[in-house]
Amino acid sequence: AQTVTQSQPEMSVQEAETVTLSCTYDTSESDYYLFWYKQPPSRQMILVIRQEAYKQQNATENRFSVNFQKAAKSFSLKISDSQLGDAAMYFCAYWGGGYSSASKIIFGSGTRLSIRP
Amino acid sequence: DSGVTQTPKHLITATGQRVTLRCSPRSGDLSVYWYQQSLDQGLQFLIQYYNGEERAKGNILERFSAQQFPDLHSELNLSSLELGDSALYFCASSRGPGTEAFFGQGTRLTVV
Repeated sequence: AQTVTQSQPEMSVQEAETVTLSCTYDTSESDYYLFWYKQPPSRQMILVIRQEAYKQQNATENRFSVNFQKAAKSFSLKISDSQLGDAAMYFCAYWGGGYSSASKIIFGSGTRLSIRP
Repeated sequence: DSGVTQTPKHLITATGQRVTLRCSPRSGDLSVYWYQQSLDQGLQFLIQYYNGEERAKGNILERFSAQQFPDLHSELNLSSLELGDSALYFCASSRGPGTEAFFGQGTRLTVV
């Protein structure tokens, strides 16, 4: 069974600095997708970034980028120039099994990120 | 706005009662997922539908059931409610397996 592990329950970063959130996963599938979602205090789930496993190039969305290490099954999120609005719970998520497969999106336990002004 | 609509936003009910949560997916999305999030917890997968058919099931209690209708909206039915069922229930939709899922704002259920 696939698993997603976020080993950092809480992280803190100074405003304008860079922070990296860690995520590892376990799978035997070759075709899968990885996501980072953000959940601010409003508790809305917001997609931050998406990575296809077959792509070697790391995904980037403005100040958010990932370091995808397929062999190591690692998928970390880097937030550059941290802003107060980045304070939230961040969830790493995995979907796998091919387009026709019936499978769920599996979420990690989350990392709570706080920003120090 | 994600385009996924969940109603109601808040629900307070007594133990033993039954409630129905409704989800309208984004236009064109065929997959619907239901998740449960208790306070300060992660997201627990309940069930997934794709184009009207059940495709994947998580640790969904027997007291809970769901369905996706021909117009692709979905309903999650929770019966014989217990205090421990109090949680935020999310619906998410996607074009299909492997594409990013967009979440509704959730239904906050409080069982008293």
